[in-house]
Amino acid sequence: NAGVTQTPKFQVLKTGQSMTLQCAQDMNHEYMSWYRQDPGMGLRLIHYSVGAGITDQGEVPNGYNVSRSTTEDFPLRLLSAAPSQTSVYFCASSPRGNEQFFGPGTRLTVL
Amino acid sequence: AQKVTQAQTEISVVEKEDVTLDCVYETRDTTYYLFWYKQPPSGELVFLIRRNSFDEQNEISGRYSWNFQKSTSSFNFTITASQVVDSAVYFCALRHSGGYQKVTFGIGTKLQVIP
Repeated sequence: NAGVTQTPKFQVLKTGQSMTLQCAQDMNHEYMSWYRQDPGMGLRLIHYSVGAGITDQGEVPNGYNVSRSTTEDFPLRLLSAAPSQTSVYFCASSPRGNEQFFGPGTRLTVL
Repeated sequence: AQKVTQAQTEISVVEKEDVTLDCVYETRDTTYYLFWYKQPPSGELVFLIRRNSFDEQNEISGRYSWNFQKSTSSFNFTITASQVVDSAVYFCALRHSGGYQKVTFGIGTKLQVIP
């Protein structure tokens, strides 16, 4: 099993550009989530999904969109990048009630 | 609303010392899960332990031990005889038992073990 994979590992964007962060898991987990990690703020939930076709907003959803067309994939879209979105992004998956498995993260810089 | 507080933002210890990382949580749920994760300098997040709210037994795994006390809403983590490889950021997290089971993380405690 590859676990949770994320691409790209690093990305630099200019303000106003859009992009998609990819996340995939091969463990058949129901739940998937996107977090951002900023210094001194821990991990904050952006969007989450409880299954294919079902998504909802977390704590900090503004500026991001998600979709979940399959169990395996949960891409995160930045619509119009802003410097405030400079962060490290983690995707996670889990079966119901259990611990989350995290991807390796994507370090995003918005200039 | 649920909240996780890790009051110690940074701790430094000398190798072989014992160290305890504090975690205090708030929730209105009667059933919930608590977790600890480790984030070493390489950046990945590694699961360490899960504890459900009905199980207040302390747990020991090698040099790691966890003390769950519902009466004080605390889930503290102790590393015995610390080693340089223990240097990392440690996150405590709380998960609802129902619905999506949203997870709330503390801000993390950065532990530096000095050789």
